[in-house]
Amino acid sequence: QVQLVQSGAEVKKPGASVKVSCKASGYTFTDYYIHWVRQAPGQGLEWMGWIDPHTGGTNFAQKFQGGVTMTRDTSITTAYMELSSLSADDTAVYYCARSYRQFFDYWGQGTLLTVSP
Amino acid sequence: QSALTQPASVSGSPGQSIAISCTGTSSDVGAYNSVSWYQHHPGKAPKLMISEVYNRPSGVSNRFSGSKSGNTASLTISGLQAEDEADYFCSSYTSSSTYVFGTGTKVTVL
Repeated sequence: QVQLVQSGAEVKKPGASVKVSCKASGYTFTDYYIHWVRQAPGQGLEWMGWIDPHTGGTNFAQKFQGGVTMTRDTSITTAYMELSSLSADDTAVYYCARSYRQFFDYWGQGTLLTVSP
Repeated sequence: QSALTQPASVSGSPGQSIAISCTGTSSDVGAYNSVSWYQHHPGKAPKLMISEVYNRPSGVSNRFSGSKSGNTASLTISGLQAEDEADYFCSSYTSSSTYVFGTGTKVTVL
């Protein structure tokens, strides 16, 4: 069965960076894009960008261009999202999700990032 | 890219039908049949309820249905049940090859 398992909760200080992982299993990793979506406290879902695990190509929401890096390691079927220069506004639950055509059919369990001095 | 507009909350009694709207623009909702809907219980992963405007994935109750007219898509829940109480988000592909989510709607079963 398809599973996306994310790394655990993180606490970071402002200005630091964080790298969240998303381990995929149960399907051919390189056949489906991986997206990253976040939800800040009390807010809605916010699409951040996608990575094509086959080529490593990426596309980001304008808001995240320059501040987010998405990578993958096909040997261990894992996608990564790195966020730099963290601020309190980055406190959120971060989800990875697989897309099939233009919808998200499987999601990770979420990773809570807390940015606090 | 601005978020798609959804009502903040919708409520109904058990057995009733409710509809949630999702309004975008001619660059997203109106441009493609790529609107999808997700049910989200706090602390859990979102769950796909409707894909590509009106397609219901295997395992999703037929009480959930989707439609679209122009720049507005809708999710209808018929025969409302207590287990339907959750947040619901729409999403659309955009002409910039990006995605955008709706503002979210809290469904309350009275």
